[in-house]
Amino acid sequence: DADVTQTPRNRITKTGKRIMLECSQTKGHDRMYWYRQDPGLGLRLIYYSFDVKDINKGEISDGYSVSRQAQAKFSLSLESAIPNQTALYFCATGQGTYNEQFFGPGTRLTVL
Amino acid sequence: QQQVKQSPQSLIVQKGGISIINCAYENTAFDYFPWYQQFPGKGPALLIAIRPDVSEKKEGRFTISFNKSAKQFSLHIMDSQPGDSATYFCAASTASGTYKYIFGTGTRLKVLA
Repeated sequence: DADVTQTPRNRITKTGKRIMLECSQTKGHDRMYWYRQDPGLGLRLIYYSFDVKDINKGEISDGYSVSRQAQAKFSLSLESAIPNQTALYFCATGQGTYNEQFFGPGTRLTVL
Repeated sequence: QQQVKQSPQSLIVQKGGISIINCAYENTAFDYFPWYQQFPGKGPALLIAIRPDVSEKKEGRFTISFNKSAKQFSLHIMDSQPGDSATYFCAASTASGTYKYIFGTGTRLKVLA
């Protein structure tokens, strides 16, 4: 969805490096999410935020941190990347009673 | 109890055939069941969704069947087309304010021309 953008789209980094993945949205949604996708494991929630002052851990938050700089921006950081964090990362926004989610195009991260 | 189990992991169907993907859940508090479709290189996008007060929802060639007593729901793609080749995720959530989805593990569908 063009209204949710992620940068970079691809990143190769080395073990121990700090890396930040950025997400921006023009949908005006308050809810934002970070997921990782691994083959056979589906989409797993890392962190989510309902507004700038509200940050919550998801099911797999260890090794990750986030920052909600504004309503439109939600960044995911890996403080010290490790190889098992190699995955496809998606940012999403949510709206409505049933929280329809709108996903960005994803960032493919490889940690060597 | 928070898991959503999805099967099969992969599926190959001939053009014009019916594709069926199944999901099962344990948490009876779930009250919203969406299906997301993901094409290669893209993020998932909402395809169709159902609430447990109905047993079936149809949108074009896509139908969700819901069995509340069995805690199962399935996606049926009628007259499957090569353009339907994608990964499909089921999900479950509650409308109680948590605004979190639990996703299934995904099914990679390939429709042969």
